[in-house]
Amino acid sequence: GENVEQHPSTLSVQEGDSAVIKCTYSDSASNYFPWYKQELGKGPQLIIDIRSNVGEKKDQRIAVTLNKTAKHFSLHITETQPEDSAVYFCAASFGGRRALTFGSGTRLQVQP
Amino acid sequence: SQTIHQWPATLVQPVGSPLSLECTVEGTSNPNLYWYRQAAGRGLQLLFYSVGIGQISSEVPQNLSASRPQDRQFILSSKKLLLSDSGFYLCAWSRGGDTEAFFGQGTRLTVV
Repeated sequence: GENVEQHPSTLSVQEGDSAVIKCTYSDSASNYFPWYKQELGKGPQLIIDIRSNVGEKKDQRIAVTLNKTAKHFSLHITETQPEDSAVYFCAASFGGRRALTFGSGTRLQVQP
Repeated sequence: SQTIHQWPATLVQPVGSPLSLECTVEGTSNPNLYWYRQAAGRGLQLLFYSVGIGQISSEVPQNLSASRPQDRQFILSSKKLLLSDSGFYLCAWSRGGDTEAFFGQGTRLTVV
């Protein structure tokens, strides 16, 4: 069935360091991979996404990479800042399914 | 531009009482609509989704039901709440299963 695994569940980094969160998916037909950031008490918000015809996408300090062969994708945050502290979710689309499937989330804490 | 409204923001209800959470979307037509639940420190569990008026798909058997009386209105209900229904409920919309999902701000439900 559709499955998205996300690691690590918690991540603590020093301000200015990089953070990497990894996800794997089960369906080789998946073609859309968004990343969401959820701040405390709020709904998740899209921060970056990638489609299966692209291997990497960057937006300022964040980037996403996709390896279709291995069926995994990663979020990279460089020069982390305290305001990057939040829960991050990856997600994947699955063929014929009308909803995204989400990973279990990563709580990122950036220590000042 | 599109907006999604979800209310109330917080709710404390006694066990056995009914529930009605409402979500409306503005600025788009015929959206896919979703209800997710997020237990404390956990990921996003899809409860229901709808691709049109009166069309509801349930992802997990539970004490809850959903309805879509109008194109841009999605309601989550229960006749008798259980303690296990406590959680953070999120409404979302999208244009399809392989596109960005836009989330509301969530309702924190505590059943006492």
